[in-house]
Amino acid sequence: AQSVTQLGSHVSVSEGALVLLRCNYSSSVPPYLFWYVQYPNQGLQLLLKYTTGATLVKGINGFEAEFKKSETSFHLTKPSAHMSDAAEYFCAVSRDNTGKLIFGQGTTLQVKP
Amino acid sequence: NAGVTQTPKFQVLKTGQSMTLQCAQDMNHNSMYWYRQDPGMGLRLIYYSASEGTTDKGEVPNGYNVSRLNKREFSLRLESAAPSQTSVYFCASNPDRGSYNEQFFGPGTRLTVL
Repeated sequence: AQSVTQLGSHVSVSEGALVLLRCNYSSSVPPYLFWYVQYPNQGLQLLLKYTTGATLVKGINGFEAEFKKSETSFHLTKPSAHMSDAAEYFCAVSRDNTGKLIFGQGTTLQVKP
Repeated sequence: NAGVTQTPKFQVLKTGQSMTLQCAQDMNHNSMYWYRQDPGMGLRLIYYSASEGTTDKGEVPNGYNVSRLNKREFSLRLESAAPSQTSVYFCASNPDRGSYNEQFFGPGTRLTVL
């Protein structure tokens, strides 16, 4: 069965520091990969996605992620954290033709002043 | 466009009571989904509807039923609520069933079962 693992349920960084949120998936065939963000008391919104083509994907708010097939990873990065980045981040995969998403456990990002 | 809307925003039930969570989207999307979110477990799919007139079970369907009323609306029913169903419920929609599409999420319904 397909699964998604996010390493670290909580990540804390200082404002201006690099943000790195880790995501690994298990699949014999590369799936479609997504990162979603959830701000407090809100629904999820898409940050970025990888379907085909370029393995470095740029998203909204300065985030990007790199698909590495050899490592079955899709880590999310941002060069310089902003206070407004504090939120919960979810990695998700989809592979079949139903559009169903399988989510990781989520990582809460704290940004310290 | 309002996107995906959900009602109610909050609900408290007693064990054994029933209720229906409503979801509607105005984006003319074909596919709709119901997820539950629990701490440390991410979001898990309850039911989905790939197109109007069809529904299928997801990962955690027990204790729930769904109705795809029309293309816009997809409701989730708890027939006899249990404390284990305390959760935040999200509805989402997708332009088509393609796996490469972004899903659009509603704001959620926070349900507590006492």
